[in-house]
Amino acid sequence: GENVEQHPSTLSVQEGDSAVIKCTYSDSASNYFPWYKQELGKRPQLIIDIRSNVGEKKDQRIAVTLNKTAKHFSLHITETQPEDSAVYFCAASIGQAGTALIFGKGTTLSVSS
Amino acid sequence: EAGVAQSPRYKIIEKRQSVAFWCNPISGHATLYWYQQILGQGPKLLIQFQNNGVVDDSQLPKDRFSAERLKGVDSTLKIQPAKLEDSAVYLCASSLSNTIYFGEGSWLTVV
Repeated sequence: GENVEQHPSTLSVQEGDSAVIKCTYSDSASNYFPWYKQELGKRPQLIIDIRSNVGEKKDQRIAVTLNKTAKHFSLHITETQPEDSAVYFCAASIGQAGTALIFGKGTTLSVSS
Repeated sequence: EAGVAQSPRYKIIEKRQSVAFWCNPISGHATLYWYQQILGQGPKLLIQFQNNGVVDDSQLPKDRFSAERLKGVDSTLKIQPAKLEDSAVYLCASSLSNTIYFGEGSWLTVV
């Protein structure tokens, strides 16, 4: 079945460093790739997304890249801050309508000051 | 804009008991989802509704889980009888297009 693999499972960086989280997906029909940030005890919140007709998207300190041929997509956070500490999930669209999401297992990012 | 509302927020039940969770999606969102998030894992889709019809329930354990979305707005998710492994956060979400918005979740502990 469809699958999304996410690496690394944990990531520790110093404040100001960059952080990169990578995902691979299996369903070649997937065409929408969002990233969610989840703080402890809170709901997953969408931070950035990319569609299959775009290779890269930026929003301030956050960027996402997509390689459809290799079925890879990555989240890049620059100039990390302590408030970036959270669990980050990648996801890929699945299903006949392409409107449901399958999630990776998450990356726990810790930013130390 | 009001978000996705869920209740109850927390529930503790004994195994073999039943529980029901309620969700009110963002106004105007035709698509509603129930996801199960076990501690330390990503959300897993249980069921997807488009208006009041089921789009995908392939991951729903139908021997114990049921869900409905009468009138195409609110939805309920029921578990009967509950097992220990059902302990998780049950996230309701809704969408208008691809963008999915999650509620705060209903935390279930089965003891």
